Formats: sequence, structure tokens, C-alpha cells
Amino acid sequence: GAGVSQSPSNKVTEKGKDVELRCDPISGHTALYWYRQSLGQGLEFLIYFQGNSAPDKSGLPSDRFSAERTGGSVSTLTIQRTQQEDSAVYLCASSRGRPDNSPLHFGNGTRLTVT
Amino acid sequence: QKEVEQDPGPLSVPEGAIVSLNCTYSNSAFQYFMWYRQYSRKGPELLMYTYSSGNKEDGRFTAQVDKSSKYISLFIRDSQPSDSATYLCAMIGQAGTALIFGKGTTLSVSS
Repeated sequence: GAGVSQSPSNKVTEKGKDVELRCDPISGHTALYWYRQSLGQGLEFLIYFQGNSAPDKSGLPSDRFSAERTGGSVSTLTIQRTQQEDSAVYLCASSRGRPDNSPLHFGNGTRLTVT
Repeated sequence: QKEVEQDPGPLSVPEGAIVSLNCTYSNSAFQYFMWYRQYSRKGPELLMYTYSSGNKEDGRFTAQVDKSSKYISLFIRDSQPSDSATYLCAMIGQAGTALIFGKGTTLSVSS
């Protein structure tokens, strides 16, 4: 079956513009995660959705970042007033349940460049 | 001190070598330990999963967890050029909601 799909694969934007990144998880996966991967920094947790529960937003770096998940499926990560330090690969992952007993399936990411 | 420390490398070995990759961590609540492999411009994929201390073997790969030392390892036997990738350790506690990842070690296996 299809894996996690992310779009766009690449995005170049000017500093100060807003961007939206999309994630289509694997069908039937209740959990969805956003991570950010910067050069030399590893994967940084941003936000976690589990079913209909309130999302865990503890990893969002500032109030310029927000995410929603509509109908328990597709998710959009929005970055407002982008800054150069937002340049990174944004990875989405989904799983059947909790991360301690359900492997995460990652998409190939959106490579964001802020000029 | 970061929660998870991992030497970024790069690590270069000849084909057939035994590779040892390691992570240390500081949070004693971590109980579930994973290794992900990431090829260039791709998302990470799960390679090994271990609960608590002990060893787990899968083909050429062996994962070891030593909770008393807060140290985990991944061994690759008979390394192949196709093993060239970045290897990320990840871990979580029972009450956690998200995996905590190391920075990843870049491995290059030359033929």
C-alpha cells in the first residue's frame, strides 16, 4: 500500500512569507507526528496527533508554527512569517498507535529553504 | 547535556567490516530503544526495536541495550555498500508521547 506522502518535496520561500506543508498519513494510522531535521541537529520533535485527543504541541519552537489534522487524516503544518533559521527538512510520520509499540513510518520530507 | 548523544561521524569502513554504532542517554525513564536507517533524501525507516536491556539479532544486525550504563549499540556484520546511510538511534519512556532521536551517524561502506 501507499506510504506516508508529503508535499511539496521542495519549497523555496522568501523571508517573511507564510508556508503550508502537507502530510497524507498511511490509511488507518491514528497517530501522526511532525519532526524537523536540520543539518547536524538530528530530528527535532514538533507536534503529535493521536486520534481525536488534543495534540501534543510541546515541541513547536515558536507561535509562528501551527499544525492541524482534519478528519483524523491529512495534516498541514503552517509556518508564518518564515525566518532563515526555519530552513530544514520537515518530516511527517504516522503509526498505528503509541510510539513505544508501533513503528513510525516516515515520509520523505519537505525540504524548506528560506531566502 | 542533551537527552541522547550520538557521534555524527562520518564513519568509513571497507566492505565486510564489522561496524559498531553507539548512543548514550541521560533519561533513566527510557525503556524502548530503536534504530532507524536513513538514506540520502529519504525518510528514516525502522531497522531494530528493543525493549529494556538485552540483545536482539536480525540477520546481519544486532542491537544491544545496557540500561545500567545508559548505552545502546547497533552492530552490523559483513557490512555492504548498501549499508551506507545515516543511522539514528531513538528512544522513549512508557509515559512519553514522541520518540527522542540522536543526531545520527553517517556510515560509508566502500567496495
